[in-house]
Amino acid sequence: KQEVTQIPAALSVPEGENLVLNCSFTDSAIYNLQWFRQDPGKGLTSLLLIQSSQREQTSGRLNASLDKSSGRSTLYIAASQPGDSATYLCAVKGGTGGGADGLTFGKGTHLIIQP
Amino acid sequence: DAGVIQSPRHEVTEMGQEVTLRCKPISGHDYLFWYRQTMMRGLELLIYFNNNVPIDDSGMPEDRFSAKMPNASFSTLKIQPSEPRDSAVYFCASSPLGVGGLHTDTQYFGPGTRLTVL
Repeated sequence: KQEVTQIPAALSVPEGENLVLNCSFTDSAIYNLQWFRQDPGKGLTSLLLIQSSQREQTSGRLNASLDKSSGRSTLYIAASQPGDSATYLCAVKGGTGGGADGLTFGKGTHLIIQP
Repeated sequence: DAGVIQSPRHEVTEMGQEVTLRCKPISGHDYLFWYRQTMMRGLELLIYFNNNVPIDDSGMPEDRFSAKMPNASFSTLKIQPSEPRDSAVYFCASSPLGVGGLHTDTQYFGPGTRLTVL
């Protein structure tokens, strides 16, 4: 059974710093990996999706990398801002991806950016 | 587009009562997912539908849980009877079918229903 772990569970940094969130998964036979953002009391918003054949994806100040063989992904946030404060969740989709299989989520990293 | 709509947003009930959570997916999406989020277990997939047909319900914790999708624009998740350990935030998500019939993998989440069972 796939297990996804995110480290750290919580992180607080001053505004402007670059930071890295980590995600690891136990079964490297994944179809893709996604990073989501969750704001308090709200649903999830997809930030980046990396297919298993890709190494990284970028969107603005966000960069996500994937090392499938070692079962790891990182989310890099450049020049952090208070508006980046949220919980960041990593999720993997297993198998061949032929069907719309549900995602396996980590428990998230709760990020606070201090003004 | 209004996005995925869930109701109610908050539900407080007593143990033993029936609870029904509702979801309206984004129009035109072929897939609908129900997830549950708790502090202890994080986000877990309960069940998902494709074109109103349940495909995988292996995540449904017990027979007390049931889900239906009578049409493409409505789904319900029912708990009967409810127990305090069912307290959680329940999310509904939908996803379109991509180009060439392949699933796009981008799931759009609703705001969730926070359920408290006393």
